[in-house]
Amino acid sequence: EAQVTQNPRYLITVTGKKLTVTCSQNMNHEYMSWYRQDPGLGLRQIYYSMNVEVTDKGDVPEGYKVSRKEKRNFPLILESPSPNQTSLYFCASSFSDRNTGELFFGEGSRLTVL
Amino acid sequence: AQKITQTQPGMFVQEKEAVTLDCTYDTSDPSYGLFWYKQPSSGEMIFLIYQGSYDQQNATEGRYSLNFQKARKSANLVISASQLGDSAMYFCAMREGNFGNEKLTFGTGTRLTIIP
Repeated sequence: EAQVTQNPRYLITVTGKKLTVTCSQNMNHEYMSWYRQDPGLGLRQIYYSMNVEVTDKGDVPEGYKVSRKEKRNFPLILESPSPNQTSLYFCASSFSDRNTGELFFGEGSRLTVL
Repeated sequence: AQKITQTQPGMFVQEKEAVTLDCTYDTSDPSYGLFWYKQPSSGEMIFLIYQGSYDQQNATEGRYSLNFQKARKSANLVISASQLGDSAMYFCAMREGNFGNEKLTFGTGTRLTIIP
């Protein structure tokens, strides 16, 4: 089954404790991206990657890091989480082809930073 | 200026009625795509429908259709014969001709509630 898998789905942590949210896709997509969703703001892009070893900032990259060592994986790293990073996070992937429509989303990871 | 505007924070609709969810967009790029996603209470993002800026026909997918009015920069989602399972948050989103970044810019969403 074609899917984007994120882990963990739910996490409560404390300020300053490094954490990683993993993302893996099995569709051989070149493009992967991270979004955060906050009430009243919709979804905003954090980072994206056009292919292996190619990453770039989105609209709200502060406080986050990413890496793309393999095509299928795109982990999101919070080196020193703060309460304002409490949010619902989505990983997404697609082919890098402007003629295709859909961006495939993972199920979301709800993060709470105390 | 907001790139995607959804002016209806919430809507209540009787079951079996048609629903129109509003979306206006702002871009100067001639090449763009418009999307609608559904987010049920379980939280996942479900792709509904896509319209490319050069598409001549309005997109349709089952009970979903996109009323694309390019001159008005409007991309309303129409759901025919609404069902209880349509109750969810709905997001309009746009991808602009920013080569390489398949970024979607999202609106703030409309929460649709279907009343039995």
